[in-house]
Amino acid sequence: AQSVTQLDSQVPVFEEAPVELRCNYSSSVSVYLFWYVQYPNQGLQLLLKYLSGSTLVKGINGFEAEFNKSQTSFHLRKPSVHISDTAEYFCAVSDQNAGGTSYGKLTFGQGTILTVHP
Amino acid sequence: EAQVTQNPRYLITVTGKKLTVTCSQNMNHEYMSWYRQDPGLGLRQIYYSMNVEVTDKGDVPEGYKVSRKEKRNFPLILESPSPNQTSLYFCASSLGQGLKYYGYTFGSGTRLTVV
Repeated sequence: AQSVTQLDSQVPVFEEAPVELRCNYSSSVSVYLFWYVQYPNQGLQLLLKYLSGSTLVKGINGFEAEFNKSQTSFHLRKPSVHISDTAEYFCAVSDQNAGGTSYGKLTFGQGTILTVHP
Repeated sequence: EAQVTQNPRYLITVTGKKLTVTCSQNMNHEYMSWYRQDPGLGLRQIYYSMNVEVTDKGDVPEGYKVSRKEKRNFPLILESPSPNQTSLYFCASSLGQGLKYYGYTFGSGTRLTVV
């Protein structure tokens, strides 16, 4: 069964500093990996996803993530954060089925609240 | 506008009174799903559906029912709500072949309070 652990529940940083939000996953098969962002009082928006190929994935708003199969990790990074990046971030995993698609079961981590201070 | 629409946005109800939260999508998506969000627990999948009349349990299905009689609609039914079902609920949809490319598209959420 797939599962996700986000290692930090809260990450405070100053504006223009780099940030890394950590995510580890567990699965017995190959996976698809996602990062979502939730701004205050809003729904979830897809930041980026990893399907296959290059282990460094670029997303919207300057975020990127690196897939590390040996460490079963998918950490999210941004080299310089802005006040507007303050939000909750969720890592999610979906098992691949035999046909290379997904069954529809998408499992989320507990979330990391990123707070950017001026 | 392509979207997932949930109703109502806010609902306060009493223990044991059956309720239905509706969800509709206008994108012809095969996959639909319900999640609940609780502080410190993230989003937990309740049920998902891969197509009409095809549904499966997620991680926290107890106390909930779903049905998928039409492709566009996926209502969430609480037959006898209890206070531990107080939560923020999200409906989501995706192309069957596209979940791995686009992830789920989420609705705006329904905040349910059971007293």
